[in-house]
Amino acid sequence: KQEVTQIPAALSVPEGENLVLNCSFTDSAIYNLQWFRQDPGKGLTSLLLIQSSQREQTSGRLNASLDKSSGRSTLYIAASQPGDSATYLCAVLTDSWGKLQFGAGTQVVVTP
Amino acid sequence: DVKVTQSSRYLVKRTGEKVFLECVQDMDHENMFWYRQDPGLGLRLIYFSYDVKMKEKGDIPEGYSVSREKKERFSLILESASTNQTSMYLCASSLERGSLQTQYFGPGTRLLVL
Repeated sequence: KQEVTQIPAALSVPEGENLVLNCSFTDSAIYNLQWFRQDPGKGLTSLLLIQSSQREQTSGRLNASLDKSSGRSTLYIAASQPGDSATYLCAVLTDSWGKLQFGAGTQVVVTP
Repeated sequence: DVKVTQSSRYLVKRTGEKVFLECVQDMDHENMFWYRQDPGLGLRLIYFSYDVKMKEKGDIPEGYSVSREKKERFSLILESASTNQTSMYLCASSLERGSLQTQYFGPGTRLLVL
């Protein structure tokens, strides 16, 4: 059974620092890996999607890498801002029907 | 923009009540999903549907059922609510299948069962 782990569960950084969020998964047979953002009490917003054949994706200050063989993904957020404070979740797509397996998330606080 | 709406943001119910959570999407998406989210456990899939009147069990279907009579609407039903079903419930929809699939989420319903 696929297991997705995110470490650390929480972190706090001063504004301007780069953020590095880690995600690991146990089964490399995935269709894609996605990073989501969740603000308190809200739903999830998709940030980046990396297909299984890709190594990375970039969107603005966000960059996500995927190493399928080692079962790892990293989300980098450059020059963090207080508005980046949220919970970040990674999820792997385990079949073509859409079954996503989620990690428990990393709660990020960026202090001014 | 894709919009996924859920009928209630907050709900308080009593043990044993029948509870309906409604989800509507406005982008003609084929696939719809129900998750619950609990602290430290992340999101867990309850049920999903890839077509009208079709449903598939997710990882934790016990105590729940679903209904999809129209393409845009997917309902989650708690037949007899219990306190261990207190949780945040999230609905999602997606258009594609395969490696390009991403899901669009509603704002969530926070359910408290007393």
